[in-house]
Order: sequence, then structure tokens, then C-alpha cells
Amino acid sequence: NAGVTQTPKFRVLKTGQSMTLLCAQDMNHEYMYWYRQDPGMGLRLIHYSVGEGTTAKGEVPDGYNVSRLKKQNFLLGLESAAPSQTSVYFCASSYTGLSGLAGDGEFFGPGTRLTVL
Amino acid sequence: KQEVTQIPAALSVPEGENLVLNCSFTDSAIYNLQWFRQDPGKGLTSLLLIQSSQREQTSGRLNASLDKSSGRSTLYIAASQPGDSATYLCAAFDNAGNMLTFGGGTRLMVKP
Repeated sequence: NAGVTQTPKFRVLKTGQSMTLLCAQDMNHEYMYWYRQDPGMGLRLIHYSVGEGTTAKGEVPDGYNVSRLKKQNFLLGLESAAPSQTSVYFCASSYTGLSGLAGDGEFFGPGTRLTVL
Repeated sequence: KQEVTQIPAALSVPEGENLVLNCSFTDSAIYNLQWFRQDPGKGLTSLLLIQSSQREQTSGRLNASLDKSSGRSTLYIAASQPGDSATYLCAAFDNAGNMLTFGGGTRLMVKP
């Protein structure tokens, strides 16, 4: 079990460039999440997905798009990167969200450190 | 909107001390509350998860309690060790929003 993996680990972009961050999980989790972590701001939810083919906005969705074409993968896209998107991005997954079943909590990937110049 | 606060923001203690980290949340309608550990430059590792119907959870030297009515959770670390040095984050899973809301974390340093 690799758990939650993220690709790439580091990336430097110029303003206006685009990129996609890939998250993969091998735990058959239904729910997947993308967070960003910034100094003094803590972790904030960007987008999440409650199952294959679904996506929903979190707390700070502007400037990002996501796709969940396969259950095990959750992609985060930046169409036109801005310096304000410099951050560490974490992907997470969990078996249940609000299904009413006892959840086993969220499992996090190692993070992607993105710098936008 | 759920808000989660952690106090103190930073804590330095000598090795061997028992310590308590505090977490408060504004909306008591939570599904569960989770405590994480984050080492510098690393991801988050889940330590304990307390369901809304539970009062506490224990794992080794760690004990987490939950009081929904007062909007508080505490993480108790017994006999602290230098290896416990890390940032500890609590997060509330919201019944209404399908999302975890994180506190700002407590940065713990345990001195040998």
C-alpha cells in the first residue's frame, strides 16, 4: 500500500503558466481532497470529491480546477498560475465523509511545493 | 462557518513533561475531530480520531478528549520526548460542509 502519493514534489512556474498536480490513492477511498497550506493561514480546502466523476468547491476554489475521472486519482489544475498560488499543496483521501458510517479519518499525501514567480 | 483555534501557537517544554494542547471550535455540529502531526517539510500524519459520539481516544502516550457542548478538544501527551517535537494540528469534520476545518496548529519543541 503506497497510501496517498502526489506528483510532482516540487515545481517552479512563471506567472501565467499552467500545470496539473496529480494525486493518487490505493486505499479505495471514496472521498478525495485538495488543500493548500500557507504560513499564518493554516490548511484550507480548495476542492474535494465525494466519488468518481464528482467534484465540489471548498473554501478557496478560485483559480483552480479539478477532475476525478478515476476513483483513485484526483487532479488539481492551475490554468494561469499567479504568485498568490505559491504554496504547499496537500492531497488527502478518506473512506467516508457524511455517509453516516464510522470514518477512519483523512490520509494525507507528502505535499507538492509550488513556487510561482 | 466553522472556525477552529489552537492555543498556544508554540510551546517549548523539557523532556519528560506531561503536556496538554488545546483546540476549540465554534460549531458543535461536528461529525468527528481529528488530531494530526506534521514534521517540518512533511505531510500530515493522523494521530487520533474522535467520533462525535465519543469522549476520548487513546494511542500510546497520547490521549485526545472531546467535549462537543463546550466546543473543545484536548490532546494530552504523557512523558514527552524530543521525538515528539512537531506541529500538532486539530481539525473538525463538519456535518454540514463535507469538509475538515483545520486549526492553525501548535508548534511543539521538547528539549532534551
